Amino acid sequence: DSGVTQTPKHLITATGQRVTLRCSPRSGDLSVYWYQQSLDQGLQFLIQYYNGEERAKGNILERFSAQQFPDLHSELNLSSLELGDSALYFCASSGGGNTEAFFGQGTRLTVV
Amino acid sequence: DAKTTQPNSMESNEEEPVHLPCNHSTISGTDYIHWYRQLPSQGPEYVIHGLTSNVNNRMASLAIAEDRKSSTLILHRATLRDAAVYYCILRDGTSGTYKYIFGTGTRLKVLA
Repeated sequence: DSGVTQTPKHLITATGQRVTLRCSPRSGDLSVYWYQQSLDQGLQFLIQYYNGEERAKGNILERFSAQQFPDLHSELNLSSLELGDSALYFCASSGGGNTEAFFGQGTRLTVV
Repeated sequence: DAKTTQPNSMESNEEEPVHLPCNHSTISGTDYIHWYRQLPSQGPEYVIHGLTSNVNNRMASLAIAEDRKSSTLILHRATLRDAAVYYCILRDGTSGTYKYIFGTGTRLKVLA
């Protein structure tokens, strides 16, 4: 158990809809990262938050947004969903400095 | 972001050592070398990281070339549970973002 909790584990939704994925980081970790992994693809970095502020942005679509709340949990919002958005979405957290990151088990999103 | 190059796949026999190479010729002086692995249907798992000196932990050893342009992850005795995709990542120690950019990784197959 990495200590990072992602909910829900599975999500099936229709095209055009909007979903919210939730991530609770390890206790004390200030950084949260979001990644997308499509079938048989690598991990694509989406966005990073540090103590509530956006710190780095990767290949995140304009239809996607994220935020980190005062209690440090984070949410990834995906809107106007397309079939191609079907993927595993991972959240990771880390402490300050160059420490290791801990990943959750992911949310499997299926858009039909 | 500095890039890494890894072989797409490798095979090893069970209980034999495995040396997983990574080239990072554009590494900067402040880049840490991190290794993660992803088992099937799971989130990535931290393995080891280092800056200049070789590093050992309970999971593996990391050998870093003197010029830091390459490194090798060493699994001392491969088991079937070590079958995974192994990612070598460079993480900037000064930018403040500390984001992890995953490449395609090396898929390790362990033969019984």
